[in-house]
Amino acid sequence: QVQLNQGGTGLLKPSETLSLTCGVSGGSLSAYYWAWIRQPPGRGLEWIGHIDQGGSTNSNPSLKSRVIISVDPSKKQVFLKVGLMTAADTGLYYCARVLGTYSMDVWGKGTTVTVSS
Amino acid sequence: QSALTQPASLSASPGQAITIYCSGTSTDFGTSKFVSWYRLHPDKAPQLLIYEDSERPSGISGRFSGSKSGNTASLTISGLQVDDEADYYCSSYTSNNAFMVFGGGTKLTVL
Repeated sequence: QVQLNQGGTGLLKPSETLSLTCGVSGGSLSAYYWAWIRQPPGRGLEWIGHIDQGGSTNSNPSLKSRVIISVDPSKKQVFLKVGLMTAADTGLYYCARVLGTYSMDVWGKGTTVTVSS
Repeated sequence: QSALTQPASLSASPGQAITIYCSGTSTDFGTSKFVSWYRLHPDKAPQLLIYEDSERPSGISGRFSGSKSGNTASLTISGLQVDDEADYYCSSYTSNNAFMVFGGGTKLTVL
């Protein structure tokens, strides 16, 4: 059974860079797209971006210039970096496996990220 | 503002059926663009309930069904159970497959 194990920094100061990791166990990394999604407190889900099997990425236009998504196939890990974090970036961050028709069938449990001075 | 529109909240009693609607534009819901539905329970990983408009992943109860007509998708939950109380989100993707969009979410109360 595929599992996604999330880790990374949960507390940041404004202007710092968020770094999150998503480890894939029990399944292939290279055969799928991988996405990052977040949920601000009291609000709905927001797609951050995704990376395809070839390493090409796409990200939400509202975040695009601050987001870097990458993978390390040898370690079966997916990475998210978001620069210049502000309080508005506070929320629960998820990684997820993306199927061919853009549904996400396996999700991590989420990492709580708080940006505060 | 979410690209897809869902009711903010719904409520129903155990045993009843309920339908959650998700509406978008033709850009979101073109003929080749599939809709997915997710359930979010507090402190649990989100769960895929429906993909490709109406398909259920392995392990998802037959009480959950999905459909789409034009620019509106729907998720129907029959035989409501207390454990169905959760937040439900629809999702699709833009015309050039550039990025995914979510509905604003529907908080379902079962009482």
